Amino acid sequence: NAGVTQTPKFQVLKTGQSMTLQCAQDMNHNSMYWYRQDPGMGLRLIYYSASEGTTDKGEVPNGYNVSRLNKREFSLRLESAAPSQTSVYFCASSATFYEQYFGPGTRLTVT
Amino acid sequence: EDKVVQSPLSLVVHEGDTVTLNCSYEVTNFRSLLWYKQEKKAPTFLFMLTSSGIEKKSGRLSSILDKKELFSILNITATQTGDSAVYLCAEGSSNTGKLIFGQGTTLQVKP
Repeated sequence: NAGVTQTPKFQVLKTGQSMTLQCAQDMNHNSMYWYRQDPGMGLRLIYYSASEGTTDKGEVPNGYNVSRLNKREFSLRLESAAPSQTSVYFCASSATFYEQYFGPGTRLTVT
Repeated sequence: EDKVVQSPLSLVVHEGDTVTLNCSYEVTNFRSLLWYKQEKKAPTFLFMLTSSGIEKKSGRLSSILDKKELFSILNITATQTGDSAVYLCAEGSSNTGKLIFGQGTTLQVKP
């Protein structure tokens, strides 16, 4: 039982490049989330998916897109990376209204 | 706009001390208040509180919620160096299970 897994663990991009962060969970959770964490700012929600087939914007969605591929997988795409997107990205999942379980994170640097 | 504010932002104590971390919130449709511990990597779940006045306890950690005054506290007694971490507070207020996080309190416990 792996819980929440994320790939890659680290990534360096040049400004304007695109990439997709992958997330999968094996806990049969309905809801999945993408957060970014910047120093001194806690965790900020980018996008979430309350259930398979639905996605919605969080606090900081600009510059990102998401796909809920199936119940297990929720990907985050940066179409044209900018230095302001340098951050640590966490994926999480939950049985709705209960505690969220987090993946190990992806450290992204955009130069 | 829903908001979660934690205080203090950072704290340095010595082993054996007792610490109290604070979390205040403003929400339009409160459902739950959660505490997480983050050591270098992914946040790990500590407590979820939904009712006022009922203390949740796990070893040396305990937490309580006051829904009238809109705050929660996390107490750690007989602190150890392994308690050094960022402690995150979050409120869950929407029907989708979204969480709004505070900035976090960085606790350093010195030997």
